[in-house]
Amino acid sequence: DVKVTQSSRYLVKRTGEKVFLECVQDMDHENMFWYRQDPGLGLRLIYFSYDVKMKEKGDIPEGYSVSREKKERFSLILESASTNQTSMYLCASSLVRGVWETQYFGPGTRLLVL
Amino acid sequence: DQQVKQNSPSLSVQEGRISILNCDYTNSMFDYFLWYKKYPAEGPTFLISISSIKDKNEDGRFTVFLNKSAKHLSLHIVPSQPGDSAVYFCAAGTYKYIFGTGTRLKVLA
Repeated sequence: DVKVTQSSRYLVKRTGEKVFLECVQDMDHENMFWYRQDPGLGLRLIYFSYDVKMKEKGDIPEGYSVSREKKERFSLILESASTNQTSMYLCASSLVRGVWETQYFGPGTRLLVL
Repeated sequence: DQQVKQNSPSLSVQEGRISILNCDYTNSMFDYFLWYKKYPAEGPTFLISISSIKDKNEDGRFTVFLNKSAKHLSLHIVPSQPGDSAVYFCAAGTYKYIFGTGTRLKVLA
């Protein structure tokens, strides 16, 4: 079974803080993704990576950066957290960069920025 | 502009009856479609998928139908069970997916 884990289930941070969200997958997947989920907006792609040290912007990358130093780990960084980044953050991975690949999700991190 | 739409934010169905969840998309280049189920405080779990070369895929109680000319897919759950109560997301794309806004299904016992 694919396992995608996220470092925290709940986080509370203050405006302006630097925030790190970590995601680890244990199935040697090439692709990893970060989404945020907000009511009425569904899941929106922030960034994704199809290889170590490679990254591509998703639909809403502003205010975020990512790091992928190892194949199994993909980090989402909020350089200076703002209240509009309060959200549920979901990490996902998929096997290869081809068509028809199912994405597997972690449990999510609920971030509150005060 | 929302490329993948789920126009019904919620749906209530009696236990044992059929649940039909709908999804519309705008990009004719999308060639893979998935349905995910999400319980509160958990990540989405993959439910069923269909590629653009098919018009139907079944897995137990779950069937997905794809109408490419109408750019429409639907998920049928028969019979519906209380444990099916969750938020359902459709997704469309190739290796990168665009998700709909979700439909909250409530199955009444």
